[in-house]
Amino acid sequence: TQLLEQSPQFLSIQEGENLTVYCNSSSVFSSLQWYRQEPGEGPVLLVTVVTGGEVKKLKRLTFQFGDARKDSSLHITAAQPGDTGLYLCAGEDYGQNFVFGPGTRLSVLP
Amino acid sequence: DTGVSQDPRHKITKRGQNVTFRCDPISEHNRLYWYRQTLGQGPEFLTYFQNEAQLEKSRLLSDRFSAERPKGSFSTLEIQRTEQGDSAMYLCASSLVGANYGYTFGSGTRLTVV
Repeated sequence: TQLLEQSPQFLSIQEGENLTVYCNSSSVFSSLQWYRQEPGEGPVLLVTVVTGGEVKKLKRLTFQFGDARKDSSLHITAAQPGDTGLYLCAGEDYGQNFVFGPGTRLSVLP
Repeated sequence: DTGVSQDPRHKITKRGQNVTFRCDPISEHNRLYWYRQTLGQGPEFLTYFQNEAQLEKSRLLSDRFSAERPKGSFSTLEIQRTEQGDSAMYLCASSLVGANYGYTFGSGTRLTVV
């Protein structure tokens, strides 16, 4: 079973601050995805990264896939209250299904 | 297409009762997944279908759980003789095989067993 760890588990910051959350595994994944989930709703896909070392930007969000395809990071610049939510990473085990990490719960205070 | 639909959104049942949830995926998606999520945790894989074939089941899926996708379109997840430990959010997702588009999740069914 491939396991994903996410850190930190909880993060509370003020509006305008920058932050980075991490997703780590001892396993190699064919691709990795980041989702954001709000209370009472299903996760919503933010990005998919496939190539080791890949960096993708989505407005104020920057995603990086580790060179060895075992880890990833999500950096948010100038966080806003609308960024509040549970950030989940999910690794694909070579075409079968995605394994999710436990998530980082982010709270951005106005 | 309105995305992935799940019904009901909430279900409260007494311990020992049977419950059935429905998922309608995005019509052109050939894969359908069921996940379970408890408070403070990420989604845990239960099972998935490619068209009407059930290709993988997690060890989490005890013999009280059964899932079907009879015509390769909608799917049902049934839990028999519910237990308090079954209380969770049950999430359905769909995707296209071979595409790195990720999953499209429904809003989930919140099950409470009392």
